[in-house]
Amino acid sequence: DIQMTQSPSSLSASVGDRVTITCRASQGISDSLAWFQQKPGKAPKLLLFDASRLESGVPSRFSGTGSGTDYTLTISSLQPEDFATYYCQQYYITPLTFGGGTKVEIK
Amino acid sequence: QLQLQESGPGLVKPSETLSLTCTVSGGSISGSDYYWGWIRQPPGKGLEWIGSIHHIGSAYYNPPLQSRVTISVDTSKNQFSLKVRSVTAADTAVYYCASRPVVTRRFDSWGQGAMVTVSS
Repeated sequence: DIQMTQSPSSLSASVGDRVTITCRASQGISDSLAWFQQKPGKAPKLLLFDASRLESGVPSRFSGTGSGTDYTLTISSLQPEDFATYYCQQYYITPLTFGGGTKVEIK
Repeated sequence: QLQLQESGPGLVKPSETLSLTCTVSGGSISGSDYYWGWIRQPPGKGLEWIGSIHHIGSAYYNPPLQSRVTISVDTSKNQFSLKVRSVTAADTAVYYCASRPVVTRRFDSWGQGAMVTVSS
């Protein structure tokens, strides 16, 4: 199985801050990576896929980079509605696996 | 875009079988080239993929659950289902159904989730 390790597990930030979340795969995943945002009591929402492609309707302040085993989600200017938990997920091979999540809290 | 909705009992007794159904609207299960999947999330924890199925019948399961799980498709009702046998408290979770296009492979539509508690 491919293990997905996210860091940090939580962070505190202010509105307007630039936020970066990292996801490391235990083996190469050829950019087969998605990022999700989840708010309490809600289903995950797809933000990016193929590591860097923005899902339709997602604000451009969200971006993704990386290759091989190391990937990053960046929020360029944190907005009040962005406080949530973020998950990465690889779909290179089954079993599909998720990172442990990063909770973004208000400083 | 597809809409998905989970349904089923919210309380299951230990050792019994958990059964959930996902109803798909906005498209036909048999006419679409999708994988139909289940993901769960224990309270306060992360996401775990349970398994996926294509309408032609090929199913893939997460190995730790494979011996207890069955996913099936009912094209006449535009639904797919999940069964988890011999449940324990560790199976208590929110269960999500989701669709994943075969070509793009990303989970792009999710149900709202169904909370299932395993307790006597």
